[in-house]
Amino acid sequence: QVQLVQSEAEVKKPGSSVKVFCKVSGGTFSSYGTSWVRQAPGQGLEWMGGIIPIFATPDYAQKFQGRLTISADESTNTAYMELSSLRSEDTAVYFCARGFGGPFDSWGQGTLVTVSS
Amino acid sequence: EIVLTQSPGTLSLSPGERATLSCRASQSVSSSYLAWYKQKHGQAPRLLVYGASNRATGIPDRFSGSGSGTDFTLTISRLEPEDFAVYYCHHYGSSRTFGQGTKVESK
Repeated sequence: QVQLVQSEAEVKKPGSSVKVFCKVSGGTFSSYGTSWVRQAPGQGLEWMGGIIPIFATPDYAQKFQGRLTISADESTNTAYMELSSLRSEDTAVYFCARGFGGPFDSWGQGTLVTVSS
Repeated sequence: EIVLTQSPGTLSLSPGERATLSCRASQSVSSSYLAWYKQKHGQAPRLLVYGASNRATGIPDRFSGSGSGTDFTLTISRLEPEDFAVYYCHHYGSSRTFGQGTKVESK
């Protein structure tokens, strides 16, 4: 059974960066994609980007180009999402999910990132 | 970029009733790349249907998906108490995007 475990909640200042990890166990990590999806308070789901580790090249939603870095460490089956130049509108729960060119069949528990001065 | 529009925004129904949720794409999409998720408050989404009409593992048969081209539907044949939640459609092809969600609430 696939499990995705994410890092704990973070509080960040505007203008700073945040890096969230997602450790995958119980499944094939390298050839499966990992995507990142966020959900602002009371809002819907927003796809941010994803990566298939064996290909290494991430894909980003246009909205996040230049501010988002997604990476993966095959040695530890862990995916990372780093968002820079944080602003208050980036306050959200950030989810990782298994899937990229396919449906998102397993999800992490979510990481709350709060951006506040 | 493909935009997915879900309707209605909110569906008020009673347990045992049938729920019909719509997802319309701004341009034709392959049904192979259309999924539905259920999200309860404070939880991660859960995959219900993929490839427009294939139920995910462990999903009861009261959930069914259909559609093609630009119009897709998720039907819950008889609502159970645990089905009251928010449902999202999702295109996972070359342009990955979610609909804005439909809330199914208890009347």
